[in-house]
Amino acid sequence: DTAVSQTPKYLVTQMGNDKSIKCEQNLGHDTMYWYKQDSKKFLKIMFSYNNKELIINETVPNRFSPKSPDKAHLNLHINSLELGDSAVYFCASSQGPGNYGYTFGSGTRLTVV
Amino acid sequence: DAKTTQPPSMDCAEGRAANLPCNHSTISGNEYVYWYRQIHSQGPQYIIHGLKNNETNEMASLIITEDRKSSTLILPHATLRDTAVYYCIVRPYMNNNAGNMLTFGGGTRLMVKP
Repeated sequence: DTAVSQTPKYLVTQMGNDKSIKCEQNLGHDTMYWYKQDSKKFLKIMFSYNNKELIINETVPNRFSPKSPDKAHLNLHINSLELGDSAVYFCASSQGPGNYGYTFGSGTRLTVV
Repeated sequence: DAKTTQPPSMDCAEGRAANLPCNHSTISGNEYVYWYRQIHSQGPQYIIHGLKNNETNEMASLIITEDRKSSTLILPHATLRDTAVYYCIVRPYMNNNAGNMLTFGGGTRLMVKP
């Protein structure tokens, strides 16, 4: 019974395509996040949503659009994929946007060819 | 603009204690020290956090110096499954603060060897 689940686990697609990654958490948490881990293994925050509202939007191209239909889901849609978008994307959740521990999903490895 | 400094890599013999250091000389009074780890091909996993007192849980112990400028994560009996990248993160205690996100640095790659 996975706490934070992401689909798909692997995604290979061509440049210029549009793709979505889905994330769901069953922990009853209010806050969800998307992180990107590039080839150098640095984890960088992309977005944060609290109760379906965007609260953090780091410097991310507007080709990336998060969508939160309810507080248990935070999906990431990427338009016009580029080679540099290749990375592992992690979804996470926490009880709130403050001083709480995060629970991470197992990641989605996106490869753009 | 790193708030923490960690050695890039360390080795530890299986069954021995792994002591992972972290320097956070600019830590503020309201900042906690968090430790996460990332096992290969998995998402980061919370280990432990503390403010100024030493903390222990089923996974590890956290020793914070009296001046709070450094800390050490201790895995008392390292196993091969503890091989991972360990991240030390300082984070202010601010409930419901939108800016209080978890920011990762480079971490320490711990290799536990048989």
